[in-house]
Amino acid sequence: DQQVKQNSPSLSVQEGRISILNCDYTNSMFDYFLWYKKYPAEGPTFLISISSIKDKNEDGRFTVFLNKSAKHLSLHIVPSQPGDSAVYFCAASAIGTGANSKLTFGKGITLSVRP
Amino acid sequence: SQTIHQWPATLVQPVGSPLSLECTVEGTSNPNLYWYRQAAGRGLQLLFYSIGIDQISSEVPQNLSASRPQDRQFILSSKKLLLSDSGFYLCAWSVRRDQPQHFGDGTRLSIL
Repeated sequence: DQQVKQNSPSLSVQEGRISILNCDYTNSMFDYFLWYKKYPAEGPTFLISISSIKDKNEDGRFTVFLNKSAKHLSLHIVPSQPGDSAVYFCAASAIGTGANSKLTFGKGITLSVRP
Repeated sequence: SQTIHQWPATLVQPVGSPLSLECTVEGTSNPNLYWYRQAAGRGLQLLFYSIGIDQISSEVPQNLSASRPQDRQFILSSKKLLLSDSGFYLCAWSVRRDQPQHFGDGTRLSIL
């Protein structure tokens, strides 16, 4: 049972335009969401997170939106740069349940930013 | 600043051989520590997590074990590797449960 889904395996965007990466989840206990960026042969790098008490969090060019009723979150990158080309993972955790805070990951989406 | 070190970067082992992967964290005390695995074509899966020395929980029954002999050291082991143990192993740490986890660069393990 895949609790975090990234249904699009890849996305190609022109440099300077907006990149929108989508993520859906099924577990209503998830209350903490994160996005990670991963280059080949490296571990994932934390980008941005959002708690379920918010619907938006912004950090520079990166903004994460959370729609709890739709169980959907998205990562917006504006403007997109060639260095943003990487695999992006959505992850979720159920902090409030007192569980072990393990992260459940999606399978990732490969973003390519064309110069 | 905090850093996480994981080694080796790549490892090729025969079936039935033992395994020891090591992870250390610097610049913080009493971190939460995690071992994840990414099998080919699949997402990251939590294997073990630890909230303190000798306090380790297993998420998935398997051929692997973990130990935390020191506060900032986390070791993943196996007595006899299986073909299905191949994958990309990642160690991670966090300050608290409600804080992001930060990952090492991983170990690519190939079983022949």
